[in-house]
Amino acid sequence: QTVVTQEPSLTVSPGGTVTLTCASSTGAVTSGYYPNWFQQKPGQAPRTLIYSTSNKHSWTPARFSGSLLGGKAALTLSGAQPEDEAEYYCLLYYGGPQVFGGGTKLTVL
Amino acid sequence: EVQLVESGGGVVQPGRSLRLSCTASGFTLGDYAVAWVRQAPGKGLEWVGFIRNKPYGETTEYAASVKGRFTISRDDSKNIAYLQMDSLETEDTAVYYCTGRQNFNIHYWGQGTLVTVSS
Repeated sequence: QTVVTQEPSLTVSPGGTVTLTCASSTGAVTSGYYPNWFQQKPGQAPRTLIYSTSNKHSWTPARFSGSLLGGKAALTLSGAQPEDEAEYYCLLYYGGPQVFGGGTKLTVL
Repeated sequence: EVQLVESGGGVVQPGRSLRLSCTASGFTLGDYAVAWVRQAPGKGLEWVGFIRNKPYGETTEYAASVKGRFTISRDDSKNIAYLQMDSLETEDTAVYYCTGRQNFNIHYWGQGTLVTVSS
């Protein structure tokens, strides 16, 4: 069974920078896994921040960016704001099925 | 404005069936695959399955946890997709989201509908 692993929790100071990662039990994550990143705030539906590794939607704040880093997909937040406190999920494509990571609870404190 | 609205959730007994609908507005659903995602209370997101759009044969893929029990279908003339859930188990209790998926990426999310499987 394929497992996608994220940090369970991270803390960042307001204005600071933090990187969330997404690893695959099958090996290095490449662009062919089409990494997606989603943000979910309490009581709300998720929304897509990043698709195909590094592409942003029109609603994605500029302070978020996606990349590949050390064999993992990565979401970097530069200049954290209080409203960025949320759960973040990644999603990887495996040639048919897709698998979510367990999520990272990001605290801005 | 792009919108996906799920409906059909509710309380159902174990072993029974339920059908969820996902109605799209503001875009042409036929241009997208539709993926269903669920979230059990207090838990993370779980990919349930998806249906490709017509150019890709409207074929489907399912997670192992629901394969053989859940069926995804679509009616692009009505801009609607469906999730038929049979032989429901208490572990299927979750908020179910429909999503618009294109080129292997999920772009749009509905607001979700709660399904509770309980006797």
